Amino acid sequence: ETGVTQTPRHLVMGMTNKKSLKCEQHLGHNAMYWYKQSAKKPLELMFVYNFKEQTENNSVPSRFSPECPNSSHLFLHLHTLQPEDSALYLCASSQDTASGRAGETQYFGPGTRLLVL
Amino acid sequence: LAKTTQPISMDSYEGQEVNITCSHNNIATNDYITWYQQFPSQGPRFIIQGYKTKVTNEVASLFIPADRKSSTLSLPRVSLSDTAVYYCLVGDMQFRNNDMRFGAGTRLTVKP
Repeated sequence: ETGVTQTPRHLVMGMTNKKSLKCEQHLGHNAMYWYKQSAKKPLELMFVYNFKEQTENNSVPSRFSPECPNSSHLFLHLHTLQPEDSALYLCASSQDTASGRAGETQYFGPGTRLLVL
Repeated sequence: LAKTTQPISMDSYEGQEVNITCSHNNIATNDYITWYQQFPSQGPRFIIQGYKTKVTNEVASLFIPADRKSSTLSLPRVSLSDTAVYYCLVGDMQFRNNDMRFGAGTRLTVKP
């Protein structure tokens, strides 16, 4: 148990569906992240939020829409996805990204296994 | 952006010591070296972090030579449950500058 929870753990959706992934961290961190991990590929950083502000968007298609209402919660809203979006979506948190302190580590949730049909 | 190079895969047997080396020739002065472990269908888990010389915790040791252009993760007496992918990351952990990225990692398989 890392202190980062994700729901749902598994999700199957059609290409016309709208769904949301939820992440919650209980560590008092200020930074949260979304990653995508496709089969046999490295983790791809999608979005970064620091103190509820989005600080990075790695050219992610607009069919993925993040939302960070507070430092403890992070959502990833999904709509009109494609089959190639099927992957493990991981949420992570860290103390923050701009503290000036080197060496911050990330704590990952268990992920949501998404299948787009 | 400090790029890292690790072996794609390694095999070992239970009870052996495993050393995984990561090359990071263009590591910057402010960069730390961090290793994560990932089991299938789970998120990566922090193992160890260091800046120079040697760091040891209850799970592993990290050896960093004086020039810091490489690092070696050492897992003592591995068991079957150590089968996982191990990632080496280099950076100052400040994502605002697109600094930290996971590479392909090293897939360690521990055999009985």
